[in-house]
Amino acid sequence: DVKVTQSSRYLVKRTGEKVFLECVQDMDHENMFWYRQDPGLGLRLIYFSYDVKMKEKGDIPEGYSVSREKKERFSLILESASTNQTSMYLCASSLLARDNEQFFGPGTRLTVL
Amino acid sequence: AQKITQTQPGMFVQEKEAVTLDCTYDTSDPSYGLFWYKQPSSGEMIFLIYQGSYDQQNATEGRYSLNFQKARKSANLVISASQLGDSAMYFCAMRERGAGFQKLVFGTGTRLLVSP
Repeated sequence: DVKVTQSSRYLVKRTGEKVFLECVQDMDHENMFWYRQDPGLGLRLIYFSYDVKMKEKGDIPEGYSVSREKKERFSLILESASTNQTSMYLCASSLLARDNEQFFGPGTRLTVL
Repeated sequence: AQKITQTQPGMFVQEKEAVTLDCTYDTSDPSYGLFWYKQPSSGEMIFLIYQGSYDQQNATEGRYSLNFQKARKSANLVISASQLGDSAMYFCAMRERGAGFQKLVFGTGTRLLVSP
């Protein structure tokens, strides 16, 4: 079974802090994704990566950056957390072939005070 | 314009009954894929079913089927014989081939409650 894990289920940070959200997948998937989920807005893509050290902006990249130094790990970085970044963050991975579904991690609920 | 529209914020159904969750989409790309995901209260998104735009038959996976009406641009999820464990949020999503790299666009979701 594909396993996508995220470093924390719940995280509370203060405004201005640098925040790292880690995602690891164990199925050698090329693609990895970071989404944020807000009530009434569904899931919105922040960044994705199709290979090591490669990244592409999604629909809402402002205020975020990412890092992919190893194939299995994709990190989301909030350089200076703000209260409007309080949200559920979901990581996903998939094979490069276009017709494969994305496999999701359990999510990290981040609260920025 | 919204690419994926789910007009039902919430749905109620009794156990053992069938339920249809609506999804309409908007694309000019002739090649696309449609997905349904389930998100229980635990938070993890669970893939349910996939329909390709060129697939001739409606997709089915166990109790889940996708009612694909291409001309109407709708991809409704049908759950037969509902179970209490089906209570969850359900998201419709679309991938357009032209968008590349499997970028998925999600709808806002429908919350399904199954009562005994």
